[in-house]
Parts: sequence; C-alpha cells; structure tokens
Amino acid sequence: GIQVEQSPPDLILQEGANSTLRCNFSDSVNNLQWFHQNPWGQLINLFYIPSGTKQNGRLSATTVATERYSLLYISSSQTTDSGVYFCAVGVDSNYQLIWGAGTKLIIKP
Amino acid sequence: NAGVMQNPRHLVRRRGQEARLRCSPMKGHSHVYWYRQLPEEGLKFMVYLQKENIIDESGMPKERFSAEFPKEGPSILRIQQVVRGDSAAYFCASSPGGDLEAFFGQGTRLTVV
Repeated sequence: GIQVEQSPPDLILQEGANSTLRCNFSDSVNNLQWFHQNPWGQLINLFYIPSGTKQNGRLSATTVATERYSLLYISSSQTTDSGVYFCAVGVDSNYQLIWGAGTKLIIKP
Repeated sequence: NAGVMQNPRHLVRRRGQEARLRCSPMKGHSHVYWYRQLPEEGLKFMVYLQKENIIDESGMPKERFSAEFPKEGPSILRIQQVVRGDSAAYFCASSPGGDLEAFFGQGTRLTVV
C-alpha cells in the first residue's frame, strides 16, 4: 500500500519563526489533506489540497502531485500553532485516508 | 452549520463492558468513516458507512467491533467486551462524497480500566 512519510518528526521553534513541514507519498493520490491536532486532541482541517497551492492567513500549502510531495508553510509562528500536524492521503477510488506519523511542533514564547 | 458531532467526549469502561460511541455527520453528508488513534500515532481507518450500508469494514477487528449508520439517527461504533488494548481515541469523519474533503469530529477518548 501507499506509504506516507512526514518530516521532520519534531520541531521546536521560537515564537515568530517560520517553518516548513513536508509530506512525501509513494504513489499517485487523488486526495490530500493537512490537519492540525491541538494539544487537547482536536483535529482541525487546514487544507484539502490534492494539487496546487492554497493559502489561509499565516498558513499555506503546496502539493506537487507529479513529484509526490506536499509542503505546509507556517509563517510568524504563534504558541497556539503548537501541536501535531498530520498529512493524510487518499488513493484512486479508495476513500480511506492514509495518515502519516505527524510532525510535532512546539512553539516557545 | 454544525460540524461532525461525537459523543461522549470521554468514556471509561471496565474490562468486559460494552462501549457505544456516537457520531452525527455534518448536514448534507451521507458518508461516515471511523478511525482509531493510538498515542503518538496517526489515525488508522476502521470502517466506512453510508446510510444503512457498511461499504468497507476492512480496518475493523473481526470480533467485538461493529458499526452501523441507520436511516434515522447517528452512526454508532460498538465495542463489546472491551479490553485494555481498546483504549484509544476514536474519531468519526464525514464527507459529501467518497473522495472529497473529510471533516472530523472531536473524537471519543475511550479508557478501559
């Protein structure tokens, strides 16, 4: 089955810093989503981005489907950005989302 | 427009008891998915349902676990005779179509003591 790898596994930054999180996948996908799981365990939809580029405030994401990777950019980090960021992909007509192991982000004040 | 609603948020059960987890999808969504998350891991697919039908339960353990999505009411994930290894966060998601954006509920954290 498809493999989803996220990097880095852990990231510690000072407030105000920028960061780039990466998601590599081993096969073609027709669905790719980025999620933020906050310290209370809630899953928040960030982007639905099987291809192309999207921006939402301080966050943006780019998926290059032909090269099988997606990037999540966080600018001017705030302490509320702390948590785990997950990439999840769907393949062909398979509706299941296959999840990466996540990037644990800690923003220090 | 209310999001995906799960209840209870937290559930404690003794070994051997039954756990019932409920999920109401977003309005207009007829596709429901259940996922399980163990500590420090990503989510793992369990089951995919549409109204009154189980479409794919390949991720669900063969014994003790069952799911339904009746014509009326929420989707239910039932775990019979719970064991300590069932302790996890169980998330429900819904979407308007099988390969469209899925939205997740807040999860039910099951603790088996």
